[in-house]
Amino acid sequence: ETGVTQTPRHLVMGMTNKKSLKCEQHLGHNAMYWYKQSAKKPLELMFVYNFKEQTENNSVPSRFSPECPNSSHLFLHLHTLQPEDSALYLCASSQVNEKLFFGSGTQLSVL
Amino acid sequence: GENVEQHPSTLSVQEGDSAVIKCTYSDSASNYFPWYKQELGKRPQLIIDIRSNVGEKKDQRIAVTLNKTAKHFSLHITETQPEDSAVYFCAASLSGGGADGLTFGKGTHLIIQP
Repeated sequence: ETGVTQTPRHLVMGMTNKKSLKCEQHLGHNAMYWYKQSAKKPLELMFVYNFKEQTENNSVPSRFSPECPNSSHLFLHLHTLQPEDSALYLCASSQVNEKLFFGSGTQLSVL
Repeated sequence: GENVEQHPSTLSVQEGDSAVIKCTYSDSASNYFPWYKQELGKRPQLIIDIRSNVGEKKDQRIAVTLNKTAKHFSLHITETQPEDSAVYFCAASLSGGGADGLTFGKGTHLIIQP
């Protein structure tokens, strides 16, 4: 374990559902990230939080809504997703300007 | 923004031989270049990184070289072993890895043939 825990590991949802992904880091880091990993594509940065403040939003559709209540927890709220949103969603954390540590990811399937 | 190209997409080598994976980046201001290894069904894990003030870094069988002028960097694995089979990702960052996240290449699937 690298100290970054994601739940759930697998999620299947319909296009009208609302669900949330959770990430928790136990490393004392002050930056947290959401990445999307699709087949045949690079890891795509979605959101960055530094000291609980969102500093990056890479043109992500509004059906993805992040929440960072404190430096240890990060959520990704999902609403009315599309089948093309099916992917592995990876959370990561770091000290600002230092190495990223990834969680194991949530494998999301949208039906 | 930054764009990272990675080649090849698949690399098959005989066990014991060397493997080289190459990446190019577009933003000359990028200053941090990590490499991640992702085994099937597992998380990406950092295996080595290099900053722009260094041209080469080694860690046992793994080395990374950086050519800032040409804007490319490479991963070298010597004496490859079956456990080296995985997908390898290069990345580049403007801020040393953290604040703005990393821009990743598409990955190289390394296959070690016994």
